[in-house]
Amino acid sequence: ETGVTQTPRHLVMGMTNKKSLKCEQHLGHNAMYWYKQSAKKPLELMFVYSLEERVENNSVPSRFSPECPNSSHLFLHLHTLQPEDSALYLCASSQDSGSNTGELFFGEGSRLTVL
Amino acid sequence: TQLLEQSPQFLSIQEGENLTVYCNSSSVFSSLQWYRQEPGEGPVLLVTVVTGGEVKKLKRLTFQFGDARKDSSLHITAAQPGDTGLYLCAGVLVFADKLIFGTGTRLQVFP
Repeated sequence: ETGVTQTPRHLVMGMTNKKSLKCEQHLGHNAMYWYKQSAKKPLELMFVYSLEERVENNSVPSRFSPECPNSSHLFLHLHTLQPEDSALYLCASSQDSGSNTGELFFGEGSRLTVL
Repeated sequence: TQLLEQSPQFLSIQEGENLTVYCNSSSVFSSLQWYRQEPGEGPVLLVTVVTGGEVKKLKRLTFQFGDARKDSSLHITAAQPGDTGLYLCAGVLVFADKLIFGTGTRLQVFP
């Protein structure tokens, strides 16, 4: 199994839909992250979880709702998104405590298109 | 204001050529990472540099951290099509203890 796996790889949804992105890490890491990657913009940190507790929320709109049931799994629940939310959503993990300074191991990403 | 600027933004070269990618800032970093992201994949860590002036080599890739820890460069010798991808630098800000990503350099190497 690869270190960090994300599903689905591609998702198309309407603005009124509710969907979820899933991430699983098999590295025994303590911290997990959600990043947003849009064209022509740097990677944007959305959420950080350390040992299942949220330690950072970078002013992300409430239509994005993270969930971390254990240290190996991370979800991003999506509700009433806007077309400008279309992007590649990357999950990552790190061995540190979620200080967001360590080396990151990324999943392959979930490409989201909002119609 | 973007704290980490990468240049060039795009680079298209022939196999066998040499190239250098730059990562510049006016801020000081305690460490700096380089990632490569291939099409359809997530970024993969290539190297971390932590000491001002440090040089690290990874086969045909040479990474350098500036003496003042405000900038870094990546030099690729004899580029190959397998080097194609998006190169991202990411630095840990000294004053904020936070990792930020650069704007990225998209490299295409033609056979």
